[in-house]
Order: sequence, then C-alpha cells, then structure tokens
Amino acid sequence: QKEVEQNSGPLSVPEGAIASLNCTYSDRGSQSFFWYRQYSGKSPELIMSIYSNGDKEDGRFTAQLNKASQYVSLLIRDSQPSDSATYLCAARMDSSYKLIFGSGTRLLVRP
Amino acid sequence: EAQVTQNPRYLITVTGKKLTVTCSQNMNHEYMSWYRQDPGLGLRQIYYSMNVEVTDKGDVPEGYKVSRKEKRNFPLILESPSPNQTSLYFCASSPTANSPLHFGNGTRLTVT
Repeated sequence: QKEVEQNSGPLSVPEGAIASLNCTYSDRGSQSFFWYRQYSGKSPELIMSIYSNGDKEDGRFTAQLNKASQYVSLLIRDSQPSDSATYLCAARMDSSYKLIFGSGTRLLVRP
Repeated sequence: EAQVTQNPRYLITVTGKKLTVTCSQNMNHEYMSWYRQDPGLGLRQIYYSMNVEVTDKGDVPEGYKVSRKEKRNFPLILESPSPNQTSLYFCASSPTANSPLHFGNGTRLTVT
C-alpha cells in the first residue's frame, strides 16, 4: 500500500484561479510534511514545509495539515502559467528518517 | 553557491559494468539521501545517511551500495547494473534528518 497518496491529475485551472492539491498519508506517526514542485526534467524544489495542524501561508501558497484525518493540502492562489508543474507531497515519521514521497499531481494553469 | 552536485548528468552503460554516481554537498549537511524516480512510481528512497559512517536502507536498496566516508560526499555504487535500474536518480541533503531536502540536478541512467 502506497504510504503517501496523491491524485496524479492533471488538474487544470484557469489563470488567476485557486489550485487545490491534496495528499493523504497512511502512517499516523508522520510528523513532518513537505510540498515540492518539480518542472519536467528538473529536480524537485521545496515550496512549503508544515509540522503542526492548521494552515501555513507563504505568499501565494498555503499548506494545510489535518493529522486526525491524515490529510495535507496545498492551495495556490492567483495561479499563473508558470505554476504548471508536478507537485510532490512528502511525509516523514520522526521515529525513522525516511522521507516518503507521493507520486505527484500534475498541475496545468491555462492562460 | 550552496548546492548538491551530482555527476554525471547522463550515463549510458551496459549490464554488469560497475558504475559510481558521485554526490557532493557544500552546505555541511548531516543528512544525505539517494532517490530514484520512475514514471508513475514517484520518488523512491534507495539509501540514506544520518552522518559520516552512518548509512541505512531506504525502500528500494537492492542492487545498490553507498558509502559516507566524508560528510560532504555520498556516492551511489551499482556493482552490477541491470536494465531495471534504468531511471532518473537524485541525491539530496539536509541540515538534519528532519529538515527539508535540497536536491541535486539528477543523473539519468540507462542500462542496456
């Protein structure tokens, strides 16, 4: 069973809209969560990290964590065509040091 | 410039010919890790290292070896590569095991 699940997409949104990306994880002991953006053929780059329940905002990005529901999300406000990429969700359990990635959601922002 | 450097970027080899992919970071990070990325499977962890001389298996360690003799270097060794190891490989590092990872530019390996 995949430990971090994401819808593969593509998720298509018009320019200026809010893109909502979702991720669920199976290990209740997971404590650290990360969102990475990966352009085709490039390496993943960190967008957000979140460690406690609630929302965390950074510019146009908001990460949301609900540990009771084992659910992490990333909201991208005012989506731009340059946001078109694959978004990877990752979870780490503090008692081990493996960082497990989901398969990624491909986001397309239409001009 | 703070970075994780992998070499080579592209590698084509034949089955059974030993190869090493190098990884070096200049950020004095304690934690380093290797991932492979395959279509539909995402990033899967091969090995990781908490510090010098401390390494451990990830989820897909079979067919790979690593070493961490110095803090900055974490080479990935394929003693006898096989076609199913054809993949895109990423090295990554972080200040501690709980910090976000910084990724290298990747190595695209083809084994024929």
